[in-house]
Amino acid sequence: EPEVTQTPSHQVTQMGQEVILRCVPISNHLYFYWYRQILGQKVEFLVSFYNNEISEKSEIFDDQFSVERPDGSNFTLKIRSTKLEDSAMYFCASIGGRNIQYFGAGTRLSVL
Amino acid sequence: KQEVTQIPAALSVPEGENLVLNCSFTDSAIYNLQWFRQDPGKGLTSLLLIQSSQREQTSGRLNASLDKSSGRSTLYIAASQPGDSATYLCAVRLSGANNLFFGTGTRLTVIP
Repeated sequence: EPEVTQTPSHQVTQMGQEVILRCVPISNHLYFYWYRQILGQKVEFLVSFYNNEISEKSEIFDDQFSVERPDGSNFTLKIRSTKLEDSAMYFCASIGGRNIQYFGAGTRLSVL
Repeated sequence: KQEVTQIPAALSVPEGENLVLNCSFTDSAIYNLQWFRQDPGKGLTSLLLIQSSQREQTSGRLNASLDKSSGRSTLYIAASQPGDSATYLCAVRLSGANNLFFGTGTRLTVIP
């Protein structure tokens, strides 16, 4: 069964550094998402992306965050200058014709 | 803003027992509701999706119901097995939006 792939599985970075989290959504899907889950908390929506532009974003998704689809397969989340509170599990998801959101295994981001 | 609550937060049952997990949401103008399973440190696996026009969906030993007017959904697991041990999340998509609002989750332990 096709799946959403995320890399790396774990990213450790120093506060203030830039990180790029990568995702390969399911190939025929058109909507892409980033969510995050701080340890012990709910999964929270960050941003959705359709037709090469942001379609919705939450209040969490401030100027420190950006998303890009640099080619036909990858979808990236960039955090410009990481803060301690950015430490979380970041999930990429994509949605197809049956309206089911499929999630990747996540990238655990640890900011030191 | 949509608030999604799941009760109980944790549940422990002996193997073979049938069980019900509860999800409630505050805004009944939903497009669909999705149940997920999350294993520790892992991604989200979609279990069932119910469209707003549907009352229930079944997959194997799982049955999910939806009562939109009362803002409730239940996930029924029949003949529970130790492999069912995981955190179960419900997530709601509002009409006119395409992101998901997640519940707090129910951590299920099935004792052999």
